[in-house]
Amino acid sequence: DAKTTQPPSMDCAEGRAANLPCNHSTISGNEYVYWYRQIHSQGPQYIIHGLKNNETNEMASLIITEDRKSSTLILPHATLRDTAVYYCIVSPPYNNNDMRFGAGTRLTVKP
Amino acid sequence: GAVVSQHPSRVICKSGTSVKIECRSLDFQATTMFWYRQFPKQSLMLMATSNEGSKATYEQGVEKDKFLINHASLTLSTLTVTSAHPEDSSFYICSARDTSHPPYEQYFGPGTRLTVT
Repeated sequence: DAKTTQPPSMDCAEGRAANLPCNHSTISGNEYVYWYRQIHSQGPQYIIHGLKNNETNEMASLIITEDRKSSTLILPHATLRDTAVYYCIVSPPYNNNDMRFGAGTRLTVKP
Repeated sequence: GAVVSQHPSRVICKSGTSVKIECRSLDFQATTMFWYRQFPKQSLMLMATSNEGSKATYEQGVEKDKFLINHASLTLSTLTVTSAHPEDSSFYICSARDTSHPPYEQYFGPGTRLTVT
């Protein structure tokens, strides 16, 4: 079973920031938080990951709470092409464990 | 980032026939690859873990004799759906973790859409 909880759907206006929450209250000390997204009929695309510090890359920012029980993925300026299902996954790094997907959040960016 | 490819991207086969799907890591070696299945409007479900040079590990409820997995090299894993039935129609996705280059991200293929008629 997935160890994360996400809202099933969210809407966002084009050009505005999209903030996608994820709860992972049972996360272990060595587990990272990963975010992937899946655009319709494509394979999942890696977005970002982090352990406890906030992270930023060219795609998004990841904010992890101090207790690590929840996180927020931020797309700073959402475009129509960001419409996708976003998955938050917790997993230990540096091993060959698979990624277990929950239901994810379906983000719809509207013009 | 690293690339995982799948072939074919879509395939249509008749009921009772077998179909093979290839998964390749293009610029890294992967001792372990994963096979997922995704039905419409559902999330990805792990089917099996493919181990180079040894038997695959199947998730509970996945028939190992129906979904044959071969991981003959460090860059290639194949999934063969034997005696396909219409209920096997699905989106099959493979992935691999690049364990030789930090941060050891897991990369996913583009998926193969199988339709059994």
